[in-house]
Amino acid sequence: QVQLQESGPGLVKPSQTLSLTCTVSGDSFSSLDYFWSWIRQPPGKGLEWIAYTSYIGNTYYNPSLKSRVTISVDTSKNQFSLKVTSVTAADTAVYYCARVNNRLEGYFYMDVWGRGTTVTVSS
Amino acid sequence: DIQMTQSPSSLSASVGDRVTITCRASETIRHYLNWYQQKPGKAPNLLLYGASTLQSGVPSRFSGSGSGTDFTLTISSLQPEDFATYYCHQSSSTLWTFGQGTKVELK
Repeated sequence: QVQLQESGPGLVKPSQTLSLTCTVSGDSFSSLDYFWSWIRQPPGKGLEWIAYTSYIGNTYYNPSLKSRVTISVDTSKNQFSLKVTSVTAADTAVYYCARVNNRLEGYFYMDVWGRGTTVTVSS
Repeated sequence: DIQMTQSPSSLSASVGDRVTITCRASETIRHYLNWYQQKPGKAPNLLLYGASTLQSGVPSRFSGSGSGTDFTLTISSLQPEDFATYYCHQSSSTLWTFGQGTKVELK
């Protein structure tokens, strides 16, 4: 059974870079049936999709964040990562990683989620 | 970007009630619409994908319908564990968007 676990610092200073890693346990990481995604949720607000990637590095970004965000994969460690540059208080959120199921052609849905990690941007 | 609008933003209901939540897309998304349930302090949980296909393990009281721009999530008989926030999510294009959420509260 696949499991996802986010890790990274809980506090980041304004203007710095936020870096998070999602470690995937299970055997689905290196399969084109699945993509890997980051989603965030500011306090008291709804879900915002950030980016997703395949294990071979095909990447897709939310246009509103694209200039500051990079998603990458490390297949040797079954991990994928997120970097957000020039952070402000508006980047304070719970960050989730998720597996995107693409086993049915054309369908993309997030069927396994990490528990989330809280990131606060503050000096 | 495709905008997703859910209605209502919140609703109050009682155990046993039939509940319907609507999600409207700003342009056609065919049937590439997913529904998630989120409880406080927890990660979202997939309920349905492809507008109407129930995810494995999800109770059959949850159902979905619609195609094109208009979709509904129905809970046939609300149970105590169903009080939560529900989100729709379109994956029709390579740029995804969520609805703003619908909070289902106890009347």
